Amino acid sequence: SQQGEEDPQALSIQEGENATMNCSYKTSINNLQWYRQNSGRGLVHLILIRSNEREKHSGRLRVTLDTSKKSSSLLITASRAADTASYFCATEGNTPLVFGKGTRLSVIA
Amino acid sequence: GAGVSQSPSNKVTEKGKDVELRCDPISGHTALYWYRQRLGQGLEFLIYFQGNSAPDKSGLPSDRFSAERTGESVSTLTIQRTQQEDSAVYLCASSLAGTYTNEQFFGPGTRLTVL
Repeated sequence: SQQGEEDPQALSIQEGENATMNCSYKTSINNLQWYRQNSGRGLVHLILIRSNEREKHSGRLRVTLDTSKKSSSLLITASRAADTASYFCATEGNTPLVFGKGTRLSVIA
Repeated sequence: GAGVSQSPSNKVTEKGKDVELRCDPISGHTALYWYRQRLGQGLEFLIYFQGNSAPDKSGLPSDRFSAERTGESVSTLTIQRTQQEDSAVYLCASSLAGTYTNEQFFGPGTRLTVL
């Protein structure tokens, strides 16, 4: 089945640095979505990139998608302490969204 | 408008008891999803509703789990004869249309602890 797997599992950076998280998946997809989760509760949708797109920006977020490598990356520029959270990629095809285990990002002030 | 709400926010129960979890989706959202998240893990898909029908129940882990939805409104997830392995956060999400291509809006979750 499709599955997003995030890498690294945990990332700790200083405020102001950039954070890069990667996601790999196994089968063809229609789109890939990134979500953020604070304190183990509800997720918030960050950005969706379609299979025919290669890069997308939203504020300090930049997402890339390489369908030939079945991988995506999420870049958060100029990180802030408030960016501390878990970040999940979710792949979508003809089945429900399949979430990976997430990357736990800690931004140290 | 109001977001997705879930109740209770926390539930502690004894092994063997039944529990009922409730989800109120965003008004007008036809699709509703239930997920389970164990501590430190990703989200596990449980069931998807389009209106009050459930075209995808593939994620329900056992016949102790069931869910229903009234029209395009509230949904309840019922777990019978709870086991300790059922302890997790149960998240509900809704989206505008009946495909998987839309952004999902999540509720705050119900944290279930089975003693």
